[in-house]
Amino acid sequence: RKEVEQDPGPFNVPEGATVAFNCTYSNSASQSFFWYRQDCRKEPKLLMSVYSSGNEDGRFTAQLNRASQYISLLIRDSKLSDSATYLCVVKRDDKIIFGKGTRLHILP
Amino acid sequence: DAGVIQSPRHEVTEMGQEVTLRCKPISGHDYLFWYRQTMMRGLELLIYFNNNVPIDDSGMPEDRFSAKMPNASFSTLKIQPSEPRDSAVYFCASSARFTTGELFFGEGSRLTVL
Repeated sequence: RKEVEQDPGPFNVPEGATVAFNCTYSNSASQSFFWYRQDCRKEPKLLMSVYSSGNEDGRFTAQLNRASQYISLLIRDSKLSDSATYLCVVKRDDKIIFGKGTRLHILP
Repeated sequence: DAGVIQSPRHEVTEMGQEVTLRCKPISGHDYLFWYRQTMMRGLELLIYFNNNVPIDDSGMPEDRFSAKMPNASFSTLKIQPSEPRDSAVYFCASSARFTTGELFFGEGSRLTVL
């Protein structure tokens, strides 16, 4: 079993819709959590950190449930420019471990 | 400001040849990571350095892979001999504040081994 699991998608969503991604992690010793975004044939870039109380950055909301070892990302009012792969990332001790990513296509 | 710089951007080589990938981290960053990305396996951590010292190389697939960081501004990842299954995009990333988890990635080196 992979340490960080994500639905690979693709999610095909009409522009303006709300979309949610989920991620589970297997190691309860994981300490910090993040979402990265990767555009096609580009490098990954940090989208946002995920805090236990949940946090919001504009149209993006991240949630963490430590008891269920579950992380989510919600995108409201999706834009064409949101089309990308979203990577769930977990930090455990000194290691930063990436999920395989969920592909999102926003349809005009 | 210059980001993480990797070279070459693309490399096509034949099986059995030596491949050397290069990375210049962001100045002042004290952590450097090498990742490999494929469709099948996603992003895999190969090795990381702190202050030029290798900390964890448990992700290095086998002895054909080696990495060095002779100084704070340069690192190499070498594959010798290369095999077709090594074909992937190799990313280098650096970080100044490791605990935040924010890694700054280079544009990657796309390796094709024929």
